[in-house]
Amino acid sequence: RKEVEQDPGPFNVPEGATVAFNCTYSNSASQSFFWYRQDCRKEPKLLMSVYSSGNEDGRFTAQLNRASQYISLLIRDSKLSDSATYLCVVLPYSGAGSYQLTFGKGTKLSVIP
Amino acid sequence: NAGVTQTPKFQVLKTGQSMTLQCAQDMNHNSMYWYRQDPGMGLRLIYYSASEGTTDKGEVPNGYNVSRLNKREFSLRLESAAPSQTSVYFCASTAERVSSYNEQFFGPGTRLTVL
Repeated sequence: RKEVEQDPGPFNVPEGATVAFNCTYSNSASQSFFWYRQDCRKEPKLLMSVYSSGNEDGRFTAQLNRASQYISLLIRDSKLSDSATYLCVVLPYSGAGSYQLTFGKGTKLSVIP
Repeated sequence: NAGVTQTPKFQVLKTGQSMTLQCAQDMNHNSMYWYRQDPGMGLRLIYYSASEGTTDKGEVPNGYNVSRLNKREFSLRLESAAPSQTSVYFCASTAERVSSYNEQFFGPGTRLTVL
């Protein structure tokens, strides 16, 4: 089983739509969780960390379900500028190993006018 | 602040040639990283440096060497390039070890083609 799995998409949605991405991870001891955004031919940038209680940042909501080992990202009222690839990222280890992030392959989102 | 910078932006090598990819950060971060990104694959860690003076292997270190020249700079060297090393290489840094409170910042990447 791959360590971090995402639906590659693409997700093609109209402006104003709500879209949700899911991600599963294999290591039940994983410590920290993130969503990164990567625009075409650009570097990844942190979108948000994902906390156990769930967290929201404007139109973006992230949820973590440790029992089922999955993470979700919900984008409400999609904008054209949300078009990008969204990377699910997990920190599987703590202590001395906590330098090695595991990246999913990404889910591509295209928001259509 | 420039953040994380990388040189060169693009490079074409022939099989067997060597080159060094340069990375620098101006955020006074302790930890630095080198990743590669290939189509259909997630980013994979090549090497990292938890602090000045230390380096450790990541997931895919074979064919690469690194040097943590000082706190700011972390270079990646390909001694004898192979076509399998054609990829986009990203350098990154964090203040300390990765956590929910320590964001990892990435450089703009180097696109390397090995013929």
